[in-house]
Amino acid sequence: AQSVTQLGSHVSVSEGALVLLRCNYSSSVPPYLFWYVQYPNQGLQLLLKYTSAATLVKGINGFEAEFKKSETSFHLTKPSAHMSDAAEYFCAVTSNNNDMRFGAGTRLTVKP
Amino acid sequence: ETGVTQSPTHLIKTRGQQVTLRCSSQSGHNTVSWYQQALGQGPQFIFQYYREEENGRGNFPPRFSGLQFPNYSSELNVNALELDDSALYLCASSPPGSTRTDTQYFGPGTRLTVL
Repeated sequence: AQSVTQLGSHVSVSEGALVLLRCNYSSSVPPYLFWYVQYPNQGLQLLLKYTSAATLVKGINGFEAEFKKSETSFHLTKPSAHMSDAAEYFCAVTSNNNDMRFGAGTRLTVKP
Repeated sequence: ETGVTQSPTHLIKTRGQQVTLRCSSQSGHNTVSWYQQALGQGPQFIFQYYREEENGRGNFPPRFSGLQFPNYSSELNVNALELDDSALYLCASSPPGSTRTDTQYFGPGTRLTVL
């Protein structure tokens, strides 16, 4: 079975600082990995996805993630945090039966 | 283009009751997936419907059932509600020809509270 682990349930950064949200995956087959963002009282919005093409994936809102097979990681980064980035972030991996497995989420707080 | 919509937005039920949640998929999308998101946790896959047939199921008991209609809208039914069923229920739709790499478009969810 495939799974993801998000390290750190809460991350706090200052506005303008680097954002780093960690995700490690476990998969017996080549994984397809996703990052979603959830704002309060809203559904999930796709930030970016890795589909075995380029290992460095660029997404919306200035976010990017790098797939590192040797480290089984898919960490999400943004060079400069903005107040509007405050939200819950979920890493996810798909399995063969269309079952998308999500991590427990990381709540990002951005301090002024 | 209308996105994924869900109804109702909030619902309160008591233990043992039954509930039906509804989802209208994004225009042109023929695949619908349902997820349960308990407070403080990530979404968990319940099942997926493709062209009115169940197309994959997560680790949920049979009292969780679903339907997909010819217009690709969908229902999630939960019988014999338990306190642990309290959660945000998310619906997501995918366009024709979707593979596991495709983007799912999520609705805003239905918040179910079981007392």
